Amino acid sequence: EAQVTQNPRYLITVTGKKLTVTCSQNMNHEYMSWYRQDPGLGLRQIYYSMNVEVTDKGDVPEGYKVSRKEKRNFPLILESPSPNQTSLYFCASSPDRDEQFFGPGTRLTVL
Amino acid sequence: QKEVEQNSGPLSVPEGAIASLNCTYSDRGSQSFFWYRQYSGKSPELIMSIYSNGDKEDGRFTAQLNKASQYVSLLIRDSQPSDSATYLCAGFNDYKLSFGAGTTVTVRA
Repeated sequence: EAQVTQNPRYLITVTGKKLTVTCSQNMNHEYMSWYRQDPGLGLRQIYYSMNVEVTDKGDVPEGYKVSRKEKRNFPLILESPSPNQTSLYFCASSPDRDEQFFGPGTRLTVL
Repeated sequence: QKEVEQNSGPLSVPEGAIASLNCTYSDRGSQSFFWYRQYSGKSPELIMSIYSNGDKEDGRFTAQLNKASQYVSLLIRDSQPSDSATYLCAGFNDYKLSFGAGTTVTVRA
């Protein structure tokens, strides 16, 4: 089944404790992206990747890092999480950049 | 100002009626536009893509694009209770997809 997977689906952590949210797609898509969704603010792009080893900032990259060492994986790294990074995170992939297909989401709470 | 603005809603329509959703965008460089449906607690699901001016129909959904007016709309005909969801409008330019805040639609049985 063609899909985008994210792990973990739910995470509660404390301020400053480094964490990684994994994202993987099995559709051989070149383009991948991370979004956060907050009430009243909608979906905002954090980072995107056009291909392996090529990444760039979206609208809200502060406090996040990404890497793209393999086409299928695009992990999101929070080196020192803070409470304002409490949010619902979605990974997405696309065969041609624009029609994007979303993973199931990761709900992160930073205490 | 957000790059993509949606009529805030919420929108309540009776079953069988037409639901009309509107979206405007500020980036004239946006090349393609999308409507996503998001059920509560779920991920966005792509339901319509539109790339050129005019109408595009897919089943009960019709998307309209007017680049001169920087306006995108979605009509849902014969609305069903299963259409109750939040609808997200998005515009794409270069590598960036910008979303509106969404319009929540409730279809009353």
